[in-house]
Amino acid sequence: DADVTQTPRNRITKTGKRIMLECSQTKGHDRMYWYRQDPGLGLRLIYYSFDVKDINKGEISDGYSVSRQAQAKFSLSLESAIPNQTALYFCATSDFVVSGEKLFFGSGTQLSVL
Amino acid sequence: GESVGLHLPTLSVQEGDNSIINCAYSNSASDYFIWYKQESGKGPQFIIDIRSNMDKRQGQRVTVLLNKTVKHLSLQIAATQPGDSAVYFCAEGNSGNTPLVFGKGTRLSVIA
Repeated sequence: DADVTQTPRNRITKTGKRIMLECSQTKGHDRMYWYRQDPGLGLRLIYYSFDVKDINKGEISDGYSVSRQAQAKFSLSLESAIPNQTALYFCATSDFVVSGEKLFFGSGTQLSVL
Repeated sequence: GESVGLHLPTLSVQEGDNSIINCAYSNSASDYFIWYKQESGKGPQFIIDIRSNMDKRQGQRVTVLLNKTVKHLSLQIAATQPGDSAVYFCAEGNSGNTPLVFGKGTRLSVIA
C-alpha cells in the first residue's frame, strides 16, 4: 500500500551494528505496528502504538526498540543486530474508528544481519 | 498463550476449481476475523473480514465462513485463477483492544 512507506526496502548489516527501519504513513491513522515475518512462522508483533504517546511491547520485543516521532512516523531500531534478526519486517497502520481492526501494510523491509 | 493456527500449510489447486483455506483459532474471546493475501515481494493485502455475530460473508469470488462452535474459519475462493497464487493469512482480533494475531499462513499454488 503506497500510503504506508517503509525505508529502506532492503538492508544488509553486520552483527553488533545499530540500525533503524523507518515507517511513514499518509493515511492519518492513529495506530501503527511493527511485525516481523519469518518463513513458516507467519507475522509476529514486535511493538505497537495506539497513538503518539502510547508504546506497547508485542510478542517478540526483546532486542528491539521503537519511537513514535509523530502520528505519521513510527521507527523500529535494532540496538545491536544479531543474525537471528534476519527477517522481513512490516509496518502497518489502522484506524479503529473508521475501519475497525483492519491493518494496512507497507511493502516491507528485508533485513539481513551477517 | 492462545494462538491462531492453520490446518494446511500448502494447497495446490487446478485453475478454475474452488479453493478452501482453513484456519483454527483458540481464543474464545475473539470477535473479529480477517483474511489477508500476500503476493511475493509485497505486503499483506486485505481480502475479507467477518465479525463474530455473523457466520458467513461474501465478497467478489471469496467467501469467509465462521464456525464459532468449533472455532474454525475458512476462506473459499471460487474459480481459482493464477493470480490467486499467494500466501494467505488468517488473523483474529478482540474489539480493537489488542492488535491482530496472525496465523502461520497457507501457500496457495494454482496449476494452469
